[in-house]
Order: sequence, then structure tokens, then C-alpha cells
Amino acid sequence: GNSVTQMEGPVTLSEEAFLTINCTYTATGYPSLFWYVQYPGEGLQLLLKATKADDKGSNKGFEATYRKETTSFHLEKGSVQVSDSAVYFCALSDSNTGKLIFGQGTTLQVKP
Amino acid sequence: NAGVMQNPRHLVRRRGQEARLRCSPMKGHSHVYWYRQLPEEGLKFMVYLQKENIIDESGMPKERFSAEFPKEGPSILRIQQVVRGDSAAYFCASSPSDRKQETQYFGPGTRLLVL
Repeated sequence: GNSVTQMEGPVTLSEEAFLTINCTYTATGYPSLFWYVQYPGEGLQLLLKATKADDKGSNKGFEATYRKETTSFHLEKGSVQVSDSAVYFCALSDSNTGKLIFGQGTTLQVKP
Repeated sequence: NAGVMQNPRHLVRRRGQEARLRCSPMKGHSHVYWYRQLPEEGLKFMVYLQKENIIDESGMPKERFSAEFPKEGPSILRIQQVVRGDSAAYFCASSPSDRKQETQYFGPGTRLLVL
């Protein structure tokens, strides 16, 4: 079946550090891939997405590239800010119904 | 352009009571998904509905849980005879289609606490 695995957190970084959060997936067919962010007490917000192999999604300085050969969709940002502190979820969409299958989430803490 | 709305935001129930969670999708969206987030865990799919139809309920517990999305009005997730293990955040998301590349827009969630 379809599944998503994320690196375990929490990830603690100093402001302006480089961020990588690893995400790998198992899927039949060719899913779309997403990164969502959740701030404390809130719902999920779409951060970026990629719908086919080699696509790069980007938003607010975050990037992720859909790598079919390594079944990965790692999230990166060159210089994190305190305001980036949140929980990040990697997800794929089911080809038949569009339902999302999420990784377990990675908590990011950025210290000034 | 209002986003996905959920109410109530917080709900406290005693064991054995019923919980009723509401979700109003974004305007123009006819596809609704419900997810549950248990403490310290990721989100798990529960059910996918279109207007008046349940399309996929593979993530719903077999007993006590039901969902509907009537022709008029919000989608409802109903939990009968709640137990402490039902305590979680319940999120709904809506989208204009079920295509795999479509973005789902999430509501703020309902946080259910069962005493």
C-alpha cells in the first residue's frame, strides 16, 4: 500500500541555518506529493507541491523536488527563521480518490 | 473568499455521549475529506464524501462513527457513545475535484476531549 516516511524530530536549528527534512514514499502509480505546515493550534496549510517526476515545488524560500528514482521529496530551506517553527508534514495523494496519506510529521524549532 | 470552516473548535464530551462535528467546505468545492490526528501523531484519513455520497470510508472505525454530506448544509462527522480514545483533533479538508494533483484546503479542526 501507499505510505510516507519522514525523518523523526524534533529538529532544532539556529536562525539562518540550512534546513533539510527527509521524506520518502511508497506508492503504486504516480502520486502527487505535498508538504503541509501546521502551526500550534491551527489546521494544515499547503506549503508546496509537485505533481510529476522532476517537478520542483517552491514557496516562501522552501523547496522540494519530486525524485522518482529515489522515491523522495525532501524539504529544504537555505536560511530558516524563528517564524518557521512548526510541524511539517509530507503527504502523497491517492491516485483513485485523491485522499492524502501523511507522514508522521517533523517538528522544527528555530532558536534566535 | 471564506476558507473551510469547522465548528465547534473545541468540544468536551463525557464517555457515552454523542459528538457531532461540522464542516463547511470552501465555496465551489464539492469534495470533502475527514482526517483524525491523535496526540503526537500524524493525520490519518477517515472518509471521503461528495454531495450526498460516501465515496471512500476505508479509514472509518466500523462502529460508532458515521459521516454525511447532504445536498444542503455542512458535512457532519458523528461519533456515538464516545470513549476516551476518541479524544483527538478532527480536520476536514475540501477540494474542487478528486484529481490526485488537486490541493486540499484544511479547516482549523475540532479538538474533541472525552472525559
